[in-house]
Amino acid sequence: DTGVSQDPRHKITKRGQNVTFRCDPISEHNRLYWYRQTLGQGPEFLTYFQNEAQLEKSRLLSDRFSAERPKGSFSTLEIQRTEQGDSAMYLCASSRRLANEQFFGPGTRLTVL
Amino acid sequence: SQQGEEDPQALSIQEGENATMNCSYKTSINNLQWYRQNSGRGLVHLILIRSNEREKHSGRLRVTLDTSKKSSSLLITASRAADTASYFCATEDQGGKLIFGQGTELSVKP
Repeated sequence: DTGVSQDPRHKITKRGQNVTFRCDPISEHNRLYWYRQTLGQGPEFLTYFQNEAQLEKSRLLSDRFSAERPKGSFSTLEIQRTEQGDSAMYLCASSRRLANEQFFGPGTRLTVL
Repeated sequence: SQQGEEDPQALSIQEGENATMNCSYKTSINNLQWYRQNSGRGLVHLILIRSNEREKHSGRLRVTLDTSKKSSSLLITASRAADTASYFCATEDQGGKLIFGQGTELSVKP
């Protein structure tokens, strides 16, 4: 257990539905990252926050994806109008500051039918 | 997009043997990190080597970094069955995000 928690751990949804995932980072960490991982691949960066500010978004993050980190604490990642290609493991990580190790949560596995 | 290549993609060894994994990357980096992932679970940080370092040790792990060749290697000595996992290298860019390789799947047979 790294101290980063994610909820839910598994989500099965039908194509076209909206889903929301939550990440609770380690409390004193001000940086929070979202990654996506498909089978047999390494994680790919989606977006990250420093406190409540979203500083960078990947080109992978289409308009259907939105992330928030209100008050610089937990974060949510919402996917609207899910597609089968969104099926993946969504990983959250946090770190104390730049150039430090990132602590990963257990991930949320999304299956879109 | 992935940062680069990891080699080999899969490695199978006997307990007690050493395992070496290599990683190449494409862009300038702040640091390079290695992570382990057990099947279907989150990633666990193993070791971080900064761009001005050439070698680092942590327990049974030894990491080297050659910035002129844009490559790194991870050596696990005296491997154990519990080391069976996927191993990923990741480079940290100026903004702090990690760019991962495709990983090496290590199998250590008792």
